[in-house]
Amino acid sequence: NAGVTQTPKFRILKIGQSMTLQCTQDMNHNYMYWYRQDPGMGLKLIYYSVGAGITDKGEVPNGYNVSRSTTEDFPLRLELAAPSQTSVYFCASSFRGDSYNEQFFGPGTRLTVL
Amino acid sequence: GESVGLHLPTLSVQEGDNSIINCAYSNSASDYFIWYKQESGKGPQFIIDIRSNMDKRQGQRVTVLLNKTVKHLSLQIAATQPGDSAVYFCAEGGTGFQKLVFGTGTRLLVSP
Repeated sequence: NAGVTQTPKFRILKIGQSMTLQCTQDMNHNYMYWYRQDPGMGLKLIYYSVGAGITDKGEVPNGYNVSRSTTEDFPLRLELAAPSQTSVYFCASSFRGDSYNEQFFGPGTRLTVL
Repeated sequence: GESVGLHLPTLSVQEGDNSIINCAYSNSASDYFIWYKQESGKGPQFIIDIRSNMDKRQGQRVTVLLNKTVKHLSLQIAATQPGDSAVYFCAEGGTGFQKLVFGTGTRLLVSP
């Protein structure tokens, strides 16, 4: 198993540009998550999904959109990039939601908006 | 609001020492607590978790203690090694769905 994979690893955007951060997991996990991590800070939940076709907002969803058309993929879309979105983005997945199960994290995407 | 915080931003220890990383939480309804390790340039890696109905849980060289009376969580690492150098995050999960609230992290520096 590759686990959780994310692409790209690094990206520089200009203000107002858009991009999609890709996330794929091969563990057949139901739950997937997107977090952002600002320098020296903990992770903040952007969006999550409990299964294909179902998504919901986390703590900091403004400026982002997600979709979950398959169990494996959970892309994060930035429509109009702003400097405040400069951060490291982590995708994670876990098996079930009725009791706690370990979240597995991808290696992250470092995004800079200039 | 709900929050999870850490007392020490940086902890420096000598190789072979025992390390203790502390965390305070504010939501008494949290059902479980997790410690993650994050090495530079990598995603967080699960270390150990504990449910609210437990006071202590041990893993390989790591022990997590939960004191619900004072809402305090700690991670103990025995015989700390240079490979343990990383940022350690505590996180708490609410009842029901697995949303996690992460603390800001403690950097552990292990010198030989």
